[in-house]
Amino acid sequence: EIVLTQSPGTLSLSPGERATLSCRASQSVSNSYLAWYQQKPGQPPRLLIYGTANRATGIPDRFSGSGSGTDFTLTISRLEPEDFAIYYCQRYGFSPFFGPGTKVDIK
Amino acid sequence: EVQLLESGGGLVQPGGSLRLSCAASGYPFSFSAMSWVRQAPGKGLEWVSTISGSGATKYYADSVRGRFTISRDDSKNTLYLQMNSLRADDTAVYYCAQLLLNPSSNFDYWGQGVLVTVSS
Repeated sequence: EIVLTQSPGTLSLSPGERATLSCRASQSVSNSYLAWYQQKPGQPPRLLIYGTANRATGIPDRFSGSGSGTDFTLTISRLEPEDFAIYYCQRYGFSPFFGPGTKVDIK
Repeated sequence: EVQLLESGGGLVQPGGSLRLSCAASGYPFSFSAMSWVRQAPGKGLEWVSTISGSGATKYYADSVRGRFTISRDDSKNTLYLQMNSLRADDTAVYYCAQLLLNPSSNFDYWGQGVLVTVSS
C-alpha cells in the first residue's frame, strides 16, 4: 500500500507570493499517475493537475505540477485570493490513495 | 457541463443500511468509470469504490469490501452505493466522481456530496 506524505501541513502566505507544495510517495508512482486537487470549505474537490504536470480544463497557468518517482511538487506562481484552500495529491490507479493535504492560508 | 448530484444520505443506526445515488448529466455516462470518495468530518479524502464503464469490474477499499456494493444503471445515468453493516467510522460526506478515461484514471468531476451519519 502506497503512503503519500504532504508538506508542509499548513502554508501561510500573502496574496501575490509563490506557493510550493510537496507530495512524497512511499514507493515510486508509475506512469506519472499523480494528480492534485483543490478543496475549499463546503465544496467538493476540484481537479487541478493530472499526469504529474498536465493542467485540467479551465485551470489557470499559475498552477503547475512537476516531479517524478517519489517526489512531486505543486507550484502556484502568484497566489490569488481564491487560491487559499486545501490541496490534496493523489496517486491514482485501481486502488487510489490521497495525501493528507496541505492547507494554504492567508498570512 | 458535467453535473453529478448525490442523494440518499441521512442518519442511520450502527448496523443499518443506506443506498446512495448519483445522477449524472453532461457527458456520456456509459463511457465513464465512476467512483465514490468519502470525507469524514474535518478529515481528508478516502477513496471508497470504483466501477468500470461497462459495470463489469468493481474495485473496493479494504475498509468497505464485503459491506458496500457499487452499481450503475446506464439507462438512468445513475450510480449507486449500497452500504450495509454501517459503522460509526463510516460517517462522512460521500462524493461521487466521474473518471473520463478508465477505472484507473484521475477523478475529473465531482458531485457536491451527501452526508451520511451513523449514530445511535
